[in-house]
Amino acid sequence: AQTVTQSQPEMSVQEAETVTLSCTYDTSENNYYLFWYKQPPSRQMILVIRQEAYKQQNATENRFSVNFQKAAKSFSLKISDSQLGDTAMYFCAFAPAAGNKLTFGGGTRVLVKP
Amino acid sequence: KAGVTQTPRYLIKTRGQQVTLSCSPISGHRSVSWYQQTPGQGLQFLFEYFSETQRNKGNFPGRFSGRQFSNSRSEMNVSTLELGDSALYLCASSSTSTHSTDTQYFGPGTRLTVL
Repeated sequence: AQTVTQSQPEMSVQEAETVTLSCTYDTSENNYYLFWYKQPPSRQMILVIRQEAYKQQNATENRFSVNFQKAAKSFSLKISDSQLGDTAMYFCAFAPAAGNKLTFGGGTRVLVKP
Repeated sequence: KAGVTQTPRYLIKTRGQQVTLSCSPISGHRSVSWYQQTPGQGLQFLFEYFSETQRNKGNFPGRFSGRQFSNSRSEMNVSTLELGDSALYLCASSSTSTHSTDTQYFGPGTRLTVL
């Protein structure tokens, strides 16, 4: 069974600065997918970024980028130029290559301060 | 395209009752997954339906069941409700074809409170 661990329960960052969220996972599979989802106070889960394990290139989406280290089973998220709207819970999630079963980490609460 | 919709958004039930939650996926999406979110257990996978068939199942008791209709809409049923079933139930859809994984897009959730 896969496990996903987010070691930082809460982080705060000043507006316009950069914050990095950690995520480690455990799996015996070679091909899989990793995701970061954002859940603001409205509770709607929003996809931030997706990474395919077979791709060595780190995914980026505007101000969001990941550092994917497959051998270390690490998948961190960097938020650059933080904005007040980035305040939310961030979840790291793992999905196998076949089948839509997401395994989530415990989440990291990010607070962006003005 | 319209996003994933879930009804009702809020629900209050008493112990022993049963409840049915509904989810309409994004148009064209054939896979629907359900998740339970609680403060204690976090986000946990319940089950996934694809083309009206349950394709994956999480570790929940048989009181939790679901189904999917030919138009891909899905329902989730919880029978004999317990206090611990109080949670946010999230539905997610994806355009997955057979035996592959695609990005899941989530609905706003149904907040179930069991008294």
